[in-house]
Amino acid sequence: NAGVTQTPKFRVLKTGQSMTLLCAQDMNHEYMYWYRQDPGMGLRLIHYSVGEGTTAKGEVPDGYNVSRLKKQNFLLGLESAAPSQTSVYFCASRTTSGAPARETQYFGPGTRLLVL
Amino acid sequence: EDKVVQSPLSLVVHEGDTVTLNCSYEVTNFRSLLWYKQEKKAPTFLFMLTSSGIEKKSGRLSSILDKKELFSILNITATQTGDSAIYLCAVEARRWNSGGSNYKLTFGKGTLLTVNP
Repeated sequence: NAGVTQTPKFRVLKTGQSMTLLCAQDMNHEYMYWYRQDPGMGLRLIHYSVGEGTTAKGEVPDGYNVSRLKKQNFLLGLESAAPSQTSVYFCASRTTSGAPARETQYFGPGTRLLVL
Repeated sequence: EDKVVQSPLSLVVHEGDTVTLNCSYEVTNFRSLLWYKQEKKAPTFLFMLTSSGIEKKSGRLSSILDKKELFSILNITATQTGDSAIYLCAVEARRWNSGGSNYKLTFGKGTLLTVNP
């Protein structure tokens, strides 16, 4: 049981390049999230998904796209990278048992992205 | 717009001190408040609070929620250097859209705690 994994761990892009970050979870969780974390800004939600085939915008969705074709995978795409997208990206997943006290959100190890 | 404010933003203490971290929030359709600890990697879950006045405890850490005054505190007693981390507060709210309802987490900016020996 690997939990939540993210690939790659680190990447350097040039402005205008595209890339896809992959998040995978083996816990059969319904909900998956992509966050970015910048110094002094806390964690900000980019997009999230409440189930296979569904996605929704979070707090800072511009410049990103996502897809959830399979329940275990949540992809985050940057079509044309910009220096403002330099950040640490965290993926997270959780189950929704209907009882908040039993739910926990699990985070992946993070992807550090540098856009030059 | 949902808002979560943590204070202080940073704190430096000596080993053995007791610290109290604050989290206040303004959200619609509150569901739960969560505390996380983040060292040099991904956040790790500490507590989930849903009811007012019920203290959650884990070792030297404890937390309580006040849904009337819209805040939570995280206490750490007898601090150790290993407690040095960013402590994140997040509030979960229920949202409805054309596909049904779901839950959205809003994070505060975190409190950077440094415990010196």
